[in-house]
Amino acid sequence: NAGVTQTPKFQVLKTGQSMTLQCAQDMNHEYMSWYRQDPGMGLRLIHYSVGAGITDQGEVPNGYNVSRSTTEDFPLRLLSAAPSQTSVYFCASSYGWGRDYEQYFGPGTRLTVT
Amino acid sequence: GENVEQHPSTLSVQEGDSAVIKCTYSDSASNYFPWYKQELGKRPQLIIDIRSNVGEKKDQRIAVTLNKTAKHFSLHITETQPEDSAVYFCAAREPGTASKLTFGTGTRLQVTL
Repeated sequence: NAGVTQTPKFQVLKTGQSMTLQCAQDMNHEYMSWYRQDPGMGLRLIHYSVGAGITDQGEVPNGYNVSRSTTEDFPLRLLSAAPSQTSVYFCASSYGWGRDYEQYFGPGTRLTVT
Repeated sequence: GENVEQHPSTLSVQEGDSAVIKCTYSDSASNYFPWYKQELGKRPQLIIDIRSNVGEKKDQRIAVTLNKTAKHFSLHITETQPEDSAVYFCAAREPGTASKLTFGTGTRLQVTL
């Protein structure tokens, strides 16, 4: 198993540009989530999904969109990048209800917005 | 929603000493509390977790204790080693959700020789 994969590993955007961060898992996990990590602020939840076709907002959803058309994939879209979105982004997945709650993280994407 | 506070933000100990990191949570119905370790430039990885029906759990040199009445839980690392140097995050699962976690802000542990 590859586990949770993310692409790209690094990205530089100009203010106003849009892009999609890719996330995929091959563990048949129901639950997937996106976090951003900023110094001194821990991991903050952006959006999450409890299954294909079901998504919901987390703590810091503004400026980001998600969709979940398959169990495996959970892309994160930045609509119009802003310098405040400079961060490290982690995707995570877990089994969800009634099973192991452990979240498995991807390797992260380091995004810089200039 | 759930709120998790974590202290201290930095911790320096000498090799062989013990380290303790503390977290408090706000929702008394929360029932799952994991601890993640993140080495520099790496992804967070689960090191130990505890559920609300247990007061303590150990795994070799690490242990977690839970006090449901006070709504706090702690990570204990004994006989610290240089490879324990990392950032540690506590988290709490929001009640009624599949796996939605709220994380603390992290503790940077430095183990010195």
